Amino acid sequence: GQNIDQPTEMTATEGAIVQINCTYQTSGFNGLFWYQQHAGEAPTFLSYNVLDGLEEKGRFSSFLSRSKGYSYLLLKELQMKDSASYLCAVNDDYKLSFGAGTTVTVRA
Amino acid sequence: EAQVTQNPRYLITVTGKKLTVTCSQNMNHEYMSWYRQDPGLGLRQIYYSMNVEVTDKGDVPEGYKVSRKEKRNFPLILESPSPNQTSLYFCASGNRDRPYNEQFFGPGTRLTVL
Repeated sequence: GQNIDQPTEMTATEGAIVQINCTYQTSGFNGLFWYQQHAGEAPTFLSYNVLDGLEEKGRFSSFLSRSKGYSYLLLKELQMKDSASYLCAVNDDYKLSFGAGTTVTVRA
Repeated sequence: EAQVTQNPRYLITVTGKKLTVTCSQNMNHEYMSWYRQDPGLGLRQIYYSMNVEVTDKGDVPEGYKVSRKEKRNFPLILESPSPNQTSLYFCASGNRDRPYNEQFFGPGTRLTVL
């Protein structure tokens, strides 16, 4: 089966940095996605990691360690618009398994 | 504009009344998928399709059917809906030939079964 864990909620201040951790135990692995989902909207793609290491995209970075079954999403210079749910998803040969999502609240 | 569309966006129905939620994409994607999203459970894959006439079960296929007769369309069929199928449903599509299968999601269909 697939087991993907991430914290339920996180709160941070505008301008700060937040790190959202994701651990996974899955029967197969072809890469890990991070998606952002604002309340009432569809998920949108943020990043994809298939090899170990850090991928940086502007204010967002994602890290993967396949041997540890671990990933994190780093959000820097937080803005109010970053208040959303962040979904970790493991890709197993075109089957996507999602974690329950982490709701990030950015305070002024 | 490249997009995935779903209809209807909102639906309230009664137990046992067959319904279909349509999904269409204009990006010529081979891959399409249906998910349901429930509080505390996240997104769970119902069915997916790698190409026309090719469909596979996801993690929660019971009570659902799909078909892929054309590349652009991937309807979700509930033959006899039950209250436990009340959920938010998302259709997604992706280009399986890319280095990775980034999926583009439709706007969602909120279904209530009474």
